[in-house]
Amino acid sequence: GAGVSQSPSNKVTEKGKDVELRCDPISGHTALYWYRQRLGQGLEFLIYFQGNSAPDKSGLPSDRFSAERTGESVSTLTIQRTQQEDSAVYLCASSLTSGGGTDTQYFGPGTRLTVL
Amino acid sequence: GQNIDQPTEMTATEGAIVQINCTYQTSGFNGLFWYQQHAGEAPTFLSYNVLDGLEEKGRFSSFLSRSKGYSYLLLKELQMKDSASYLCAVRDQGGSYIPTFGRGTSLIVHP
Repeated sequence: GAGVSQSPSNKVTEKGKDVELRCDPISGHTALYWYRQRLGQGLEFLIYFQGNSAPDKSGLPSDRFSAERTGESVSTLTIQRTQQEDSAVYLCASSLTSGGGTDTQYFGPGTRLTVL
Repeated sequence: GQNIDQPTEMTATEGAIVQINCTYQTSGFNGLFWYQQHAGEAPTFLSYNVLDGLEEKGRFSSFLSRSKGYSYLLLKELQMKDSASYLCAVRDQGGSYIPTFGRGTSLIVHP
């Protein structure tokens, strides 16, 4: 079946511009997660959705970052006034639920963001 | 939150066995995951442990000791394609059940 998809796969932008990253989770998965991975680093949690609500926004690095989810499906991560330190791979994952148990996260291929 | 520690890099020979360790500290353990991530690709799920003991799945096995805050991933009959980063992730009993990922162990398999 279809996995998690993300678009664009690569995005190069100029410092100060806004960018929007999209994630399409696996159909029927109620939980959706955004992570950031800088080169050679681990995964940094950004935000998580249960349905269309975001109970945990604790990982968003600044108010330049925001995310929404609609129809319990697609999610967009928006970064305003991008900075060079925002350059990273942004990974989206989804899971069937978020209430514990195996709740395996399935990851998308990521969006590689480069801020010049 | 959690404090997760893994070796940064390991090397091994094709056909050999390698053990990748992960230690963690958490206030309320609720499961440990291992993921494999090839360069430039997304992480893919390997294993999940919530009870003590060994979980075997083909060439890969994962072990957990909750009292020691310790897990390892055992890879047998190593193949060149096993060269990848191996991520340990721990979930605690906090409200959101979000796993926290370690920095990953880069495994290099050479002939």
